[in-house]
Amino acid sequence: GENVEQHPSTLSVQEGDSAVIKCTYSDSASNYFPWYKQELGKGPQLIIDIRSNVGEKKDQRIAVTLNKTAKHFSLHITETQPEDSAVYFCAASKSTSGTYKYIFGTGTRLKVLA
Amino acid sequence: NAGVMQNPRHLVRRRGQEARLRCSPMKGHSHVYWYRQLPEEGLKFMVYLQKENIIDESGMPKERFSAEFPKEGPSILRIQQVVRGDSAAYFCASSPPRSGDRTGELFFGEGSRLTVL
Repeated sequence: GENVEQHPSTLSVQEGDSAVIKCTYSDSASNYFPWYKQELGKGPQLIIDIRSNVGEKKDQRIAVTLNKTAKHFSLHITETQPEDSAVYFCAASKSTSGTYKYIFGTGTRLKVLA
Repeated sequence: NAGVMQNPRHLVRRRGQEARLRCSPMKGHSHVYWYRQLPEEGLKFMVYLQKENIIDESGMPKERFSAEFPKEGPSILRIQQVVRGDSAAYFCASSPPRSGDRTGELFFGEGSRLTVL
């Protein structure tokens, strides 16, 4: 069945360093890849997304890259700050008729050390 | 512009009781999704609804779980005869109407945390 693998499960970086989280998806028909940030006790918040007709997208300190051939996509956070500490989830989705089902990765707990 | 509203935020039930979780989507959104999150795990799709219609319930357990999104009022996820394994955070998300072939962004609520004693 459809599957999204996410690595690493935990990641600790020093403040100011970069963090990279990687995901692999199984369904080649997937065409939309959002990333969510979840803080403790809260709901997931969309931070960036990418569609399959684009290879890279940036928004200030956050960037996402997509390799459709390898079915990989990655989140890059530069100049990390303590407030970036949270759990990050990747997801894959496809726009088949009638459903928007997202398949989520298992999450990466990012700790930014001051 | 209020976001996705879920209530209650926390719910405690004893085994065998019923749990009802409510979700009001963002203004202008006509699609509602329910996801379940177990501790230290990712979000698992349960069901996708539009007003008065269940579109995809492939992630819903076959027994005890049901969902609805009536013409008026919030979407409701209902769990009958709860068991300890139902303890989890249940998240509702909404999205705007589809635009052509583009997949819509999901906006999540803060979740309802169910504890079954």
